[in-house]
Amino acid sequence: QSVLTQPPSVSAAPGQKVTISCSGSSSNIGNNYVSWYQQLPGTAPKLLIYENNKRPSGIPDRFSGSKSATSATLGITGLQTGDEADYYCGTWDSSLSAGVFGGGTKLTVL
Amino acid sequence: EVQLVESGGGLVQPGGSLRLSCAAPGFTPGIYAMSWVRQAPGKGLEWVSVISGSGASTYYADSVKGRFTISRDNSKNTVYLEMNSLRGEDTAVYYCAKGSSGSFLHYWYFDLWGRGTLVTVSS
Repeated sequence: QSVLTQPPSVSAAPGQKVTISCSGSSSNIGNNYVSWYQQLPGTAPKLLIYENNKRPSGIPDRFSGSKSATSATLGITGLQTGDEADYYCGTWDSSLSAGVFGGGTKLTVL
Repeated sequence: EVQLVESGGGLVQPGGSLRLSCAAPGFTPGIYAMSWVRQAPGKGLEWVSVISGSGASTYYADSVKGRFTISRDNSKNTVYLEMNSLRGEDTAVYYCAKGSSGSFLHYWYFDLWGRGTLVTVSS
């Protein structure tokens, strides 16, 4: 059972938009920045979003992040088959004094 | 190109020990927090431990507290994870990941990852 809750899977057609939610509490998302990671099959995770809504250099603006209270959302527009991957949210939990990840969401581009 | 390179993984018996290393050439030592994150076969990401840039602060997941020790040698740009009393549930790919500087607990993210090293705990 992960501290952060994500849907196990989402799917959408190429070119469409999808959102992935990440729900937490005041001790984690509510008081610390959220980051998002993409993990393609057989590879290491890659940072997509940091500090809730910032994109590292090289990440296309098709990827966006937002946060409201104790929840965060990753948005992906203009879906491509290459976006099929597992996506994870992460943050620090101040009560646990530990880093936490969501359970991961598998994106299928139909 | 800046990269992280893990080493030290392998097969170990339950109750045994291993030391993982993460070499981090290419960026200024002693500034960035460094974490270990693991992923059991077919499972999601699990944060294991973090050490501050100076090495003065360390934190651990409850699942490894008292058994694992994180440390760093900034003169060698290397981070270590000493793992003792290993259990079957510690079997995973262990990734080294670079965090932020300064208030790294608040500005929590990993912007650079190694390729990982596999640790298998089995008799």
